[in-house]
Amino acid sequence: GDSVTQMEGPVTLSEEAFLTINCTYTATGYPSLFWYVQYPGEGLQLLLKATKADDKGSNKGFEATYRKETTSFHLEKGSVQVSDSAVYFCALSDSGGYNKLIFGAGTRLAVHP
Amino acid sequence: DAGVTQSPTHLIKTRGQQVTLRCSPKSGHDTVSWYQQALGQGPQFIFQYYEEEERQRGNFPDRFSGHQFPNYSSELNVNALLLGDSALYLCASSPPGRMDGYTFGSGTRLTVV
Repeated sequence: GDSVTQMEGPVTLSEEAFLTINCTYTATGYPSLFWYVQYPGEGLQLLLKATKADDKGSNKGFEATYRKETTSFHLEKGSVQVSDSAVYFCALSDSGGYNKLIFGAGTRLAVHP
Repeated sequence: DAGVTQSPTHLIKTRGQQVTLRCSPKSGHDTVSWYQQALGQGPQFIFQYYEEEERQRGNFPDRFSGHQFPNYSSELNVNALLLGDSALYLCASSPPGRMDGYTFGSGTRLTVV
């Protein structure tokens, strides 16, 4: 079945460092791809999404490009802030049914001043 | 505009008991999905409700059941609780015709002792 694999954390960075969180997927159809963020004690917030190959999703300085040839959707940010500390989840929308979301295990990001 | 509202925020139950969790979707949304997020893991799809019927189900036993009401709100019921049911339960709603436009609630933290 469809699945998502993302790099294990935690990722620890200094403020203003460059961020990359790797995400790869396996899917039989043509899923939409998402990055969600979860702050401590909260639910999930949609960070960005891409619905087809070569689309780039972007929001709040984060961006990710849907790469069908490498089945990847890596998250990047040029300069992280302490407030970006959270858990990041890569997910795909199952295109074969009613678009349920399939999540990766999450990557914890800690940014230090 | 209120987003997705879940209640209660926390609860503690004993093994073998039954629990009901509640979700009010975002205004204008008609589809409700439930996810289980164990500690340190990504959310897992439980089921989705649309037009008061279960439309799709993940790999969860029959102890997990749900309901959707005419006003689109939803309940998740879990019978014969096990220690392994301890998790954050997330509700997500989506608008008509846009099954990838999910909005998540903050979740209910269930602890089974």
